[in-house]
Amino acid sequence: GAGVSQSPRYKVAKRGQDVALRCDPISGHVSLFWYQQALGQGPEFLTYFQNEAQLDKSGLPSDRFFAERPEGSVSTLKIQRTQQEDSAVYLCASSHDASRGLMNTGELFFGEGSRLTVL
Amino acid sequence: GQQVMQIPQYQHVQEGEDFTTYCNSSTTLSNIQWYKQRPGGHPVFLIQLVKSGEVKKQKRLTFQFGEAKKNSSLHITATQTTDVGTYFCAGRVFSGGYNKLIFGAGTRLAVHP
Repeated sequence: GAGVSQSPRYKVAKRGQDVALRCDPISGHVSLFWYQQALGQGPEFLTYFQNEAQLDKSGLPSDRFFAERPEGSVSTLKIQRTQQEDSAVYLCASSHDASRGLMNTGELFFGEGSRLTVL
Repeated sequence: GQQVMQIPQYQHVQEGEDFTTYCNSSTTLSNIQWYKQRPGGHPVFLIQLVKSGEVKKQKRLTFQFGEAKKNSSLHITATQTTDVGTYFCAGRVFSGGYNKLIFGAGTRLAVHP
């Protein structure tokens, strides 16, 4: 596709409900990142995939958060038993280059985000 | 852990005035990127700085990377209403076997006509 596509754009969930957020990165992009952006804040790192391998999940706030990218393209971020503090915009970003090189020059291409509101 | 601090949090200027936002890291960065996020939009890449002391210009925007590769700044000359948005710096640190990008909290710029 022309850009990073995320769905749904908006999701309202009742506390305790499970949600799944989808990210379709730019075709051929090796690296995929999930960020959480609270209102008025910068994007906070959640997790990083290089192709299908999840190389870093240190930013996931709790074991209720789970992400996968089984075929190295589309990724899903799942949040189980949602809480009010999970309300935020979840941004997906992809990059052409693998982030291993010390002089990595990969700019991140962000999707429009999925705005999650937990009532 | 690694942190990237950005100041100021907000800046209100009259159209035509200059604007500067500053970014500081607690650790040495591999490189630094700058992004702009318009209200209701998503971050869009502006530029990357790699070398110590590097200065790059894009029209009215001037980006600098500090000699120690721990700080950076973005300066906008003669702001216009189209400059409205939040400017984020994002520093790359080598951590866990790869280059992690850590974002600052951003500086929200309001431009009054």
